[in-house]
Amino acid sequence: GIQVEQSPPDLILQEGANSTLRCNFSDSVNNLQWFHQNPWGQLINLFYIPSGTKQNGRLSATTVATERYSLLYISSSQTTDSGVYFCAVKNQAGTALIFGKGTTLSVSS
Amino acid sequence: DAGVTQSPTHLIKTRGQQVTLRCSPKSGHDTVSWYQQALGQGPQFIFQYYEEEERQRGNFPDRFSGHQFPNYSSELNVNALLLGDSALYLCASSFAPNQPQHFGDGTRLSIL
Repeated sequence: GIQVEQSPPDLILQEGANSTLRCNFSDSVNNLQWFHQNPWGQLINLFYIPSGTKQNGRLSATTVATERYSLLYISSSQTTDSGVYFCAVKNQAGTALIFGKGTTLSVSS
Repeated sequence: DAGVTQSPTHLIKTRGQQVTLRCSPKSGHDTVSWYQQALGQGPQFIFQYYEEEERQRGNFPDRFSGHQFPNYSSELNVNALLLGDSALYLCASSFAPNQPQHFGDGTRLSIL
C-alpha cells in the first residue's frame, strides 16, 4: 500500500517564525489533504490539495504530484498553531485516507 | 450548518465488554468513514459506509463492525474489548466516497 512519510517529526518555534512541513508519498495519488490536530484532539481540515498551490491566510500548501511530495508553509507562527500536522492521501480505490505519522509543532511566545 | 457530530465524547469500558459509538455526518454528506487513532499515532482506517453498505475495510478484525442508517448516520460496534482498543475513534463524512473527508471531534475510549 501507499506509504506516507512526514518530516520533521518535531518542530519547536518562537512566535513569528516561519516553517515548512514536508510530506512524501510512495505512489501516485489523486487526493491529498492536510490536517491540524489541536491539543484537544480535534482534526481540522486545512487543505484539499491533490496538485498545485493553495493559500489560506498565513498557511499555504503546494503539491507536486509527479514528484510525490507536498509542502505545508506556516508563516508568522502563533501559539495557536501548536499541535500535530497530518498529511493524508487517498489509496487507489479512492476511499480510505492513509495518514502519515505527523509533525508535532510547538510554538512558544 | 452542523458539522460531523459524534457521541459519546468519552467512554470507559472493561475488557470483554462491547461498545457502540455513533456518528452523524455533515449536512449533505452521504458517506461515513471510521478511523482509530492510538496515542502518538496517525489515524488508521477501519471501514467506510456508503448506501448503507460497507464499501472498504482496513486491517481490523471482525470484532469491529458497523452500520449505516437510511439518514446516513452510522454506528461503530466493537465486541470483546481488549486493552489495545483504547484509542480516539474518529468519524469522517464526505459527499461521496472519493471526496474530501471532514472529521468529527472523536470519541475517546478507555479500556480498563
